[in-house]
Amino acid sequence: DAGITQSPRYKITETGRQVTLMCHQTWSHSYMFWYRQDLGHGLRLIYYSAAADITDKGEVPDGYVVSRSKTENFPLTLESATRSQTSVYFCASNPLSGRAYEQYFGPGTRLTVT
Amino acid sequence: QKEVEQNSGPLSVPEGAIASLNCTYSDRGSQSFFWYRQYSGKSPELIMSIYSNGDKEDGRFTAQLNKASQYVSLLIRDSQPSDSATYLCAVNGGGNQFYFGTGTSLTVIP
Repeated sequence: DAGITQSPRYKITETGRQVTLMCHQTWSHSYMFWYRQDLGHGLRLIYYSAAADITDKGEVPDGYVVSRSKTENFPLTLESATRSQTSVYFCASNPLSGRAYEQYFGPGTRLTVT
Repeated sequence: QKEVEQNSGPLSVPEGAIASLNCTYSDRGSQSFFWYRQYSGKSPELIMSIYSNGDKEDGRFTAQLNKASQYVSLLIRDSQPSDSATYLCAVNGGGNQFYFGTGTSLTVIP
């Protein structure tokens, strides 16, 4: 049972480059989320998705793009990376029913923008 | 701006003691409350959820919620060195937007 996987786990990129972080979940959870975690700020929501083809902005969406063509995948794209986007990025999911609001996190991607 | 506040710590307790972690939140309409444990370099791991006022116990962990005071806490009994981690408080105010505190660092001293 793989749960949520993220790739790559580590990424170094240059300012201005486009980079895509991948997130894949095997639970068929309806909701998926992208967070960034920075010292002093905790976890901040970037985007979330309620289902395939349904996405919405979170607290800090500027500079990011998401898509969700399949329930199991939720990629996050930085269209033109900036140093301020250096962070650890976590993908999370939670089911629609039952313990609907209990989020489960992937292992994270550490992104450095030089 | 919905806020979730936690003491950043570090909080140090001796092995076998009770660790008490506190969290306050600003949105009075918040409905769901969570505690996550995060080891250094790892992802957050859900350890407790609580939805109604009062106490909820799960093994050595007890979550306490007081909506009138906008306060949620986590007690860890018989603290173990393996409990040393950062504990994140998270609040859901409805829909699917979650707000996290910055976390409290706990060290359990053998």
